[in-house]
Amino acid sequence: AQRVTQPEKLLSVFKGAPVELKCNYSYSGSPELFWYVQYSRQRLQLLLRHISRESIKGFTADLNKGETSFHLKKPFAQEEDSAMYYCALSPGLSSNTGKLIFGQGTTLQVKP
Amino acid sequence: KAGVTQTPRYLIKTRGQQVTLSCSPISGHRSVSWYQQTPGQGLQFLFEYFSETQRNKGNFPGRFSGRQFSNSRSEMNVSTLELGDSALYLCASRAGPPYEQYFGPGTRLTVT
Repeated sequence: AQRVTQPEKLLSVFKGAPVELKCNYSYSGSPELFWYVQYSRQRLQLLLRHISRESIKGFTADLNKGETSFHLKKPFAQEEDSAMYYCALSPGLSSNTGKLIFGQGTTLQVKP
Repeated sequence: KAGVTQTPRYLIKTRGQQVTLSCSPISGHRSVSWYQQTPGQGLQFLFEYFSETQRNKGNFPGRFSGRQFSNSRSEMNVSTLELGDSALYLCASRAGPPYEQYFGPGTRLTVT
């Protein structure tokens, strides 16, 4: 079965603390993986994708095929990072399909 | 560039009625995908249209249908509404590479 699991509904940290949002997936092929973010009163937007291997707003995510994980990390959380974060999987090349399978989302709360 | 727009933003319908939601993609984007978002099930893929053809379909009953016009605008229709259809319906458009999905603000459907 194709599935994305985000085990934490809420992650609360203090400003300046490291952040790790967990994402595990179940997929038999080679998926493309993404992190999407939704800030308060804003639209869902792409944060980063594993194939680009870049850091966005200080966040990075490494695809671990052995552990089927794609955890999102940031060394020092900022208050403006508070948002809902969704891990998503594309079952195939993103050039061929717009289908995304989303996890249930994790709310990140960064306290001052 | 103007973002993805969805109309109407809010809708209240009665069980048994049908509803049509509209999505206007970003200019030049030919792919439009639809998602249903509920507190219990999260974000679930409904279908994707590309150049007026349905390219992918999620696991929803036949009461959920869609179409895409030659200008890439898309509509989704839900017939014989049920209380469980109450949700936020999101559409997303994309083009590429890099095939990033851009989400609209959503239509909040309430079925009473």
